Amino acid sequence: QVHLQEWGPGLVKPSETVSLSCAVSGDSIASQSWSWIRQAPGKGLEWIGYYYYIGRTDYNPSFRGRVAISLDTPNNQISLQLTSVTAADTAVYYCARQEVGYSGNYFAFWGQGALITVSS
Amino acid sequence: DIQMTQSPSSVSASVGDRVLITCRASEGLNTWLSWYQQKPGKAPKLLIYAASSLHTGVPSRFSGSGSGTEFTLTISSLQPEDFATYYCQQASSFPLTFGGGTKVEIK
Repeated sequence: QVHLQEWGPGLVKPSETVSLSCAVSGDSIASQSWSWIRQAPGKGLEWIGYYYYIGRTDYNPSFRGRVAISLDTPNNQISLQLTSVTAADTAVYYCARQEVGYSGNYFAFWGQGALITVSS
Repeated sequence: DIQMTQSPSSVSASVGDRVLITCRASEGLNTWLSWYQQKPGKAPKLLIYAASSLHTGVPSRFSGSGSGTEFTLTISSLQPEDFATYYCQQASSFPLTFGGGTKVEIK
């Protein structure tokens, strides 16, 4: 069974950079595609970007170059870095395995989420 | 970006009721649409992908239909564990986008 577990610093100050990690068990990250998705308190879901298994990344333009997703293959972890954070970046951040194929792009496996609060 | 509009935004229903949730896309998706269920404090769970394919382990009372720009999630007989928020997601083009959600509440 595929299991994902995210973690991060919890509290971040405005203008700082936040880094989150997602540990995957039951699957090899190198052979799959992985997304980060976030959800602001009481709001809907927002796709941040993904690492495509062939080594390519694609990001939501709404993040205007503030985001980077990378793989730590030896540790089977996926990382998200978000720079210049503001209060609007306060959210639960989820990592998810992205199924990519003729059925489209969707998310069958999710982590439990990591809350990031941006506040001074 | 493809805009996804769900309706209604909330619905009150009783156990045993049939519930329909609609999702409309601003552009044609073929059948590249997925549905998720989310309970408070939990991650979303995949219900349906490719508009009508039931994900492994999802009860058969859930079904999806539609193509192009209009899609429907149907819960044939609402169960107590189905009270949750439901999201559609277009799986066609980047950036991937979600609908605003439909909250299914107890009547």
